[in-house]
Amino acid sequence: ELKVEQNPLFLSMQEGKNYTIYCNYSTTSDRLYWYRQDPGKSLESLFVLLSNGAVKQEGRLMASLDTKARLSTLHITAAVHDLSATYFCAVVGSGGSNYKLTFGKGTLLTVNP
Amino acid sequence: EAGVTQSPTHLIKTRGQQATLRCSPISGHTSVYWYQQALGLGLQFLLWYDEGEERNRGNFPPRFSGRQFPNYSSELNVNALELEDSALYLCASSLASGAGGMSYEQYFGPGTRLTVT
Repeated sequence: ELKVEQNPLFLSMQEGKNYTIYCNYSTTSDRLYWYRQDPGKSLESLFVLLSNGAVKQEGRLMASLDTKARLSTLHITAAVHDLSATYFCAVVGSGGSNYKLTFGKGTLLTVNP
Repeated sequence: EAGVTQSPTHLIKTRGQQATLRCSPISGHTSVYWYQQALGLGLQFLLWYDEGEERNRGNFPPRFSGRQFPNYSSELNVNALELEDSALYLCASSLASGAGGMSYEQYFGPGTRLTVT
């Protein structure tokens, strides 16, 4: 059974600082997603990572994927208050389990002025 | 292009009642997925429908059921509601996903907040 672990689960950081969220998964996967969720809202897709070594950047967020290590990172550069939200990674299973997303528990990010 | 829509936005029910949640996929998408986000349990896969058939379900009791209509919209029914069914229910849609074959990105709707009292 595919398991996805995120850490840290809670992250409080100051504006202007850098930090990284880690996402480990237990078995071979077809693809990996990062989502943002604001309180009471749905999931907003941030990145889709499809292959080993994939790196994608959008604004102050950069995501990467190492399929050999089964590890993805979401790096935050020079954080601003607007980035405060919960971030989830989600992994698609392989083979017969490629129809569903398995989510990490999420990282609640709070950026303080 | 319209995204995934869900109704109602909020639903309040009493324990033991039944709840019906609705989802309309993006035009052209035939696969619909349901996920539950309950406090403390994270996001969990609930059901997958494709071409009108239930293709797979997560680890949920049979009182969670649903169907997919010919226009690919979907309905999730929760019978005999329990307090722990209180959660945000998210629907997602994608192009046809065949288990073991190509998988496509899932696009999420705004969710239905179900509260059971």
